[in-house]
Amino acid sequence: KAGVTQTPRYLIKTRGQQVTLSCSPISGHRSVSWYQQTPGQGLQFLFEYFSETQRNKGNFPGRFSGRQFSNSRSEMNVSTLELGDSALYLCASSLGAGLRMAETQYFGPGTRLLVL
Amino acid sequence: KNQVEQSPQSLIILEGKNCTLQCNYTVSPFSNLRWYKQDTGRGPVSLTIMTFSENTKSNGRYTATLDADTKQSSLHITASQLSDSASYICVVTYTGTASKLTFGTGTRLQVTL
Repeated sequence: KAGVTQTPRYLIKTRGQQVTLSCSPISGHRSVSWYQQTPGQGLQFLFEYFSETQRNKGNFPGRFSGRQFSNSRSEMNVSTLELGDSALYLCASSLGAGLRMAETQYFGPGTRLLVL
Repeated sequence: KNQVEQSPQSLIILEGKNCTLQCNYTVSPFSNLRWYKQDTGRGPVSLTIMTFSENTKSNGRYTATLDADTKQSSLHITASQLSDSASYICVVTYTGTASKLTFGTGTRLQVTL
């Protein structure tokens, strides 16, 4: 079974631009979560989607948004990029019981975003 | 404030030795605690997940413990291997009106010959 895939793997943008990242979950998984990882802040939770609906959300500004399609694939969008948005963006998929349940999440390799 | 603190920040051990990593949290209301292993440049890999009622869970040479009363968890690695060199991250899920995650900053483990 193929793992979680993320595209693109690397991206360079300039301040003020917007970016869209894509995540394809493991086949049969209905939940997709997004995370930001930086050397200074470590891993931080962005949001979780299930059945095309945002189920949980972390403490990020509205510039960060996402959506999920009927095939469970998900996209994350960051508008008006800032230098501090440079990070590794990870997505993870799971069957769909939810973060409060003891369900394994499977992470993709991440998209490394550099904002200049 | 919901926080997760891990110690030590970094650790160097000889191959074949055991080690224990610590995770203390102040997260409430607690839902579950996860340990992840993350190799450099790769996504995290789940090692264990424990709920409130579980106090020990093993995954091969990895054994996690949870004391929900003291809000402490540990990850014990037995007979370390070079491939265990990675960052180990503790993550606590808490649930109020919605579920949220709080991450520790991780312990960087290096296993040497």
